[in-house]
Amino acid sequence: AQSVTQLGSHVSVSEGALVLLRCNYSSSVPPYLFWYVQYPNQGLQLLLKYTTGATLVKGINGFEAEFKKSETSFHLTKPSAHMSDAAEYFCAVSLGTSNTGKLIFGQGTTLQVKP
Amino acid sequence: DVKVTQSSRYLVKRTGEKVFLECVQDMDHENMFWYRQDPGLGLRLIYFSYDVKMKEKGDIPEGYSVSREKKERFSLILESASTNQTSMYLCASTGVSQPQHFGDGTRLSIL
Repeated sequence: AQSVTQLGSHVSVSEGALVLLRCNYSSSVPPYLFWYVQYPNQGLQLLLKYTTGATLVKGINGFEAEFKKSETSFHLTKPSAHMSDAAEYFCAVSLGTSNTGKLIFGQGTTLQVKP
Repeated sequence: DVKVTQSSRYLVKRTGEKVFLECVQDMDHENMFWYRQDPGLGLRLIYFSYDVKMKEKGDIPEGYSVSREKKERFSLILESASTNQTSMYLCASTGVSQPQHFGDGTRLSIL
């Protein structure tokens, strides 16, 4: 069975500091991996995705994530946090061969950015 | 751009009422999903549909049903609303091997 674990339900950083949000997954088949962001009172917006190919994936708003198969991880990073990055972030995994698009989500990490 | 539209942003209903939440997508996607989101629990899948008139239960289907009579529309039905169904409800759609696209959510309160 597939699962996703996000380490840390709340992460707090200072403006300008490195952002690191951790995600580990389990999957018996090559996974497709996603990071979504949710701003208050909105739906989820896709930040980036990994399907195949290059393991370092760049997304919107300066975020990137690296797929590390040996560590079963897909951590999200941004070199310098901005106040507008304050939001909830979700990591998700799907079966690479699935055509239903069904996702398994982590429980989410709330990012706080302090001035 | 993909547009997923949920009919209401905020909804207040009473215990025992039958409640309909509507979702429409404009990208001819085969797959549509209903989630509920609660603090500390992330997103939990209620039902999904991979074709017209086809549906499958997700992780928490109890107390809910769905309807998909047309490809673009996926309705979530609370047969007899209860206070423990107060939550944020999110609809999503996707084509084959594509990311899910989400609506803005419906914040439902059951009094």
